Amino acid sequence: SQTIHQWPATLVQPVGSPLSLECTVEGTSNPNLYWYRQAAGRGLQLLFYSVGIGQISSEVPQNLSASRPQDRQFILSSKKLLLSDSGFYLCARPGAGGYTFGSGTRLTVV
Amino acid sequence: QKEVEQNSGPLSVPEGAIASLNCTYSDRGSQSFFWYRQYSGKSPELIMSIYSNGDKEDGRFTAQLNKASQYVSLLIRDSQPSDSATYLCAVNRNTGFQKLVFGTGTRLLVSP
Repeated sequence: SQTIHQWPATLVQPVGSPLSLECTVEGTSNPNLYWYRQAAGRGLQLLFYSVGIGQISSEVPQNLSASRPQDRQFILSSKKLLLSDSGFYLCARPGAGGYTFGSGTRLTVV
Repeated sequence: QKEVEQNSGPLSVPEGAIASLNCTYSDRGSQSFFWYRQYSGKSPELIMSIYSNGDKEDGRFTAQLNKASQYVSLLIRDSQPSDSATYLCAVNRNTGFQKLVFGTGTRLLVSP
């Protein structure tokens, strides 16, 4: 199984509050993992990727951070959310012929 | 110039017609190309991948790649209302590590 689990499915948070989104995967050990964000009217933007435990690469300077505490766990965090952090957050892993995405978390910052 | 460009649409076609979706990319060294379908409120799902010039067919779907023109297209034959979705084009920049770059997507509407 190459299943990707994401939670929560939806989240409404006030500006300035912290954030923690979790992604866990089944199947192959030590997969490459990715966090993407899809904002309204924009394409999928790569935020972070990880090739292994403790290894994080950031693609875009922003108000977010990522961590890989375990082989199959990838966490997206923020200490203080901004309105511009609203969007659809997707965790992904390489699969047969392309990426497989989790079901996503829709974050609304109010 | 965006790395991957798509017309946002909507592209409206009647049921049974052929829908043609287009995508251009800027990185001439790109090696892998993908089409994803995304229903409203859902995550993208992979429908086609193509790696070499020419056509690749899978059921009602045909992907076409022209690297010289930096152009990828997706044809959907016998379009169905259930095909109504946003179609995302993605390109692997092939920097030694797989990182897909996505277009903003084309919204397809198939009317019964």
